[in-house]
Amino acid sequence: AQKITQTQPGMFVQEKEAVTLDCTYDTSDPSYGLFWYKQPSSGEMIFLIYQGSYDQQNATEGRYSLNFQKARKSANLVISASQLGDSAMYFCAMKAGTGANNLFFGTGTRLTVIP
Amino acid sequence: GAVVSQHPSRVICKSGTSVKIECRSLDFQATTMFWYRQFPKQSLMLMATSNEGSKATYEQGVEKDKFLINHASLTLSTLTVTSAHPEDSSFYICSARFRQYNSPLHFGNGTRLTVT
Repeated sequence: AQKITQTQPGMFVQEKEAVTLDCTYDTSDPSYGLFWYKQPSSGEMIFLIYQGSYDQQNATEGRYSLNFQKARKSANLVISASQLGDSAMYFCAMKAGTGANNLFFGTGTRLTVIP
Repeated sequence: GAVVSQHPSRVICKSGTSVKIECRSLDFQATTMFWYRQFPKQSLMLMATSNEGSKATYEQGVEKDKFLINHASLTLSTLTVTSAHPEDSSFYICSARFRQYNSPLHFGNGTRLTVT
């Protein structure tokens, strides 16, 4: 069975500072993918970044980077130079197994950027 | 730009009526689409996997007769909430995978259903 855990229900960060959102996962499948999505108050799910289980390097996408520690089964999202528009819910998700299509989501972290 | 379009974005209906929600993949074919439900301040829970040309696969605890899914073409899946009740009020969101296996799921903008 797959499990995604986000232990921070809410986080605050000062504008222009960096923030780390935690995510741990558990799966017995050696092949899996980890995703982060942003959900603003409007509701849409915006894909941010992806990390594959066999990727050697940590993924980066602009101000987003993923701190992937495979042995610890963690995939923390780092947002650098926070902006007011970053205030939203952030979900960590996992897709496990060859051919698996579904995503399992964590409970989310609400990030608030303080001006 | 958006690759998955969902309609309507909001709907209010009376108890006992049925509501249809459409999910379209734009400019790509999606043999599989996923329907999620999200209660306020909670995470997304998979309801069912919509398969083009065959029956949907429902998650445990989801009533297939209440949440009818039709995936009649490679670009359209519909979710019909039949005989809606207030407890069906929720945020419903669909998704599809664009391109290959490890590409992310792209989501529609969701439908907020309120049953009065």
